[in-house]
Amino acid sequence: AQSVAQPEDQVNVAEGNPLTVKCTYSVSGNPYLFWYVQYPNRGLQFLLKYITGDNLVKGSYGFEAEFNKSQTSFHLKKPSALVSDSALYFCAVRDPSYNTDKLIFGTGTRLQVFP
Amino acid sequence: ETGVTQTPRHLVMGMTNKKSLKCEQHLGHNAMYWYKQSAKKPLELMFVYNFKEQTENNSVPSRFSPECPNSSHLFLHLHTLQPEDSALYLCASSQMGLAGGDEQFFGPGTRLTVL
Repeated sequence: AQSVAQPEDQVNVAEGNPLTVKCTYSVSGNPYLFWYVQYPNRGLQFLLKYITGDNLVKGSYGFEAEFNKSQTSFHLKKPSALVSDSALYFCAVRDPSYNTDKLIFGTGTRLQVFP
Repeated sequence: ETGVTQTPRHLVMGMTNKKSLKCEQHLGHNAMYWYKQSAKKPLELMFVYNFKEQTENNSVPSRFSPECPNSSHLFLHLHTLQPEDSALYLCASSQMGLAGGDEQFFGPGTRLTVL
């Protein structure tokens, strides 16, 4: 079965400091992993994805994530947080060994960046 | 207009009403999705259409009836809903289904309240 966990409901960080939003997954095969961000009263916006290749993935707005197969993690990171990064972040996983279009989302982590 | 649009943005309906949600994508994509987003719950996939054919029905109650007349339009017909169906309903599209690892593009959602 596919599953994804975001262990933190909220992450608080001061502007200018590095941020990390955690994500772990469970799939039977090699995962496709995604990060999305949701601003208030908006739909989800795609940030980045890992399909194959380099474990360090760079995405939109200066975000990056590192695929770690041994730890089954795909944490989202940014070297220097901005107040405008405050939003709800979702990790999602798909196991391509399943013949399905189903993408499994985590429960979301609210990032609050303080000035 | 670009991206994925959804109408209406807000909808209040009684349990005996019949209403429809509309989604339109202007991206030339071939796959479209309906999701339900409730507070404190993971995003729930409801339906997937690939090239107008339904490929996923995630055990959704029959009071929700999807329709995909072409690759650009997706509807969700609602009838005899329950108060627990109140949620944000998100539409998304992707170039193909998720088999190739395509990211999804989301609309802003319809905030549905069932009285």
